[in-house]
Amino acid sequence: QKEVEQNSGPLSVPEGAIASLNCTYSDRGSQSFFWYRQYSGKSPELIMFIYSNGDKEDGRFTAQLNKASQYVSLLIRDSQPSDSATYLCAVKDRGAGNMLTFGGGTRLMVKP
Amino acid sequence: DGGITQSPKYLFRKEGQNVTLSCEQNLNHDAMYWYRQDPGQGLRLIYYSQIVNDFQKGDIAEGYSVSREKKESFPLTVTSAQKNPTAFYLCASSIDRWEWSYNEQFFGPGTRLTVL
Repeated sequence: QKEVEQNSGPLSVPEGAIASLNCTYSDRGSQSFFWYRQYSGKSPELIMFIYSNGDKEDGRFTAQLNKASQYVSLLIRDSQPSDSATYLCAVKDRGAGNMLTFGGGTRLMVKP
Repeated sequence: DGGITQSPKYLFRKEGQNVTLSCEQNLNHDAMYWYRQDPGQGLRLIYYSQIVNDFQKGDIAEGYSVSREKKESFPLTVTSAQKNPTAFYLCASSIDRWEWSYNEQFFGPGTRLTVL
């Protein structure tokens, strides 16, 4: 059974700080990793994806992947109250098709 | 405007009743998915379809059924056999190219189903 684990939180950070969200996965053969943001009562929206070891930056967001440790993280710099949401980590299954396995999500609260 | 639509936004079901949730996309995506989300939980896959007239069970298919008669449409029926159907239901679609490593799934706005 493929597993994707996230700390449910809430993770509380002050405005302007760096928020660090973590995710571990069980299937060593997993290829691609996605971070979705979900506001309360809304559907998830993609923030970033990463498939190579190392860091990938997009504006205030940085995704980090370490396949040897089966670990992926999302850093949010200069956190804003509007970043308060649940962040879902998703892992693409190996093989054909485009199935994703989702973690349970981490709730982030950015306090003004 | 390209996107995914789901209807209705809110749905109330009585015990023993079947209900059908609609999902339509005009993104010309091959693959479509149905997920269930319970409060404070992640998404769990109910059914998925990679091509018209074909679909596969996901992790929690019991008590649900789907059809894929058109590329644009992937309706989900919640049957009376689903004992605890109250949840947020999300439909998604994606390009289905197995050789691509990063096919984004796009989500519809969701349907919130409540059993009375």
